[in-house]
Amino acid sequence: SQKIEQNSEALNIQEGKTATLTCNYTNYSPAYLQWYRQDPGRGPVFLLLIRENEKEKRKERLKVTFDTTLKQSLFHITASQPADSATYLCAPPGDDKIIFGKGTRLHILP
Amino acid sequence: EPEVTQTPSHQVTQMGQEVILRCVPISNHLYFYWYRQILGQKVEFLVSFYNNEISEKSEIFDDQFSVERPDGSNFTLKIRSTKLEDSAMYFCASTRTGGYTFGSGTRLTVV
Repeated sequence: SQKIEQNSEALNIQEGKTATLTCNYTNYSPAYLQWYRQDPGRGPVFLLLIRENEKEKRKERLKVTFDTTLKQSLFHITASQPADSATYLCAPPGDDKIIFGKGTRLHILP
Repeated sequence: EPEVTQTPSHQVTQMGQEVILRCVPISNHLYFYWYRQILGQKVEFLVSFYNNEISEKSEIFDDQFSVERPDGSNFTLKIRSTKLEDSAMYFCASTRTGGYTFGSGTRLTVV
């Protein structure tokens, strides 16, 4: 069955540094992959979508890469700020839906 | 910016009772979804809805669940006979293409 793994449950990063989150998927080849942010008690918020023919996508301080050979997507936040602290979710597509991983809780330490 | 609106924000219900969770998706979106998140767990897919019918449903979405889009704006999730394990945050989402827009959720507590 399709499986999504995010590299760690929690990640602590010093303010100003680059945070890098990993998403690995197995048993299928998604045509695209989405990343979301979720704050406690709130719904996921869409951040970026990257397609299989795109190596890299950027939006302000965010960068996503997609390596279909490694079956992996990396999500980077540069110049991280305490306000970036949240859970980040990788979401490749299923048939008529997107599937969420467990997410990585990112803590940016002041 | 357009929003997906969910009501109520909190619902407490007795086991065995029926509940209806309501959502108003973004007006020009075509695809609609319900997801749920049990406390401390991942966001799980329940059902997708397109062109006035269910396009896919998960194993969780059994006969006690149903969805409706009774008019051009509302999208509802009905749970017929609630169980304790139905306690969760329920999120509605919609999309036209690309990223999904999620509502703020309904916290359902079954007692």
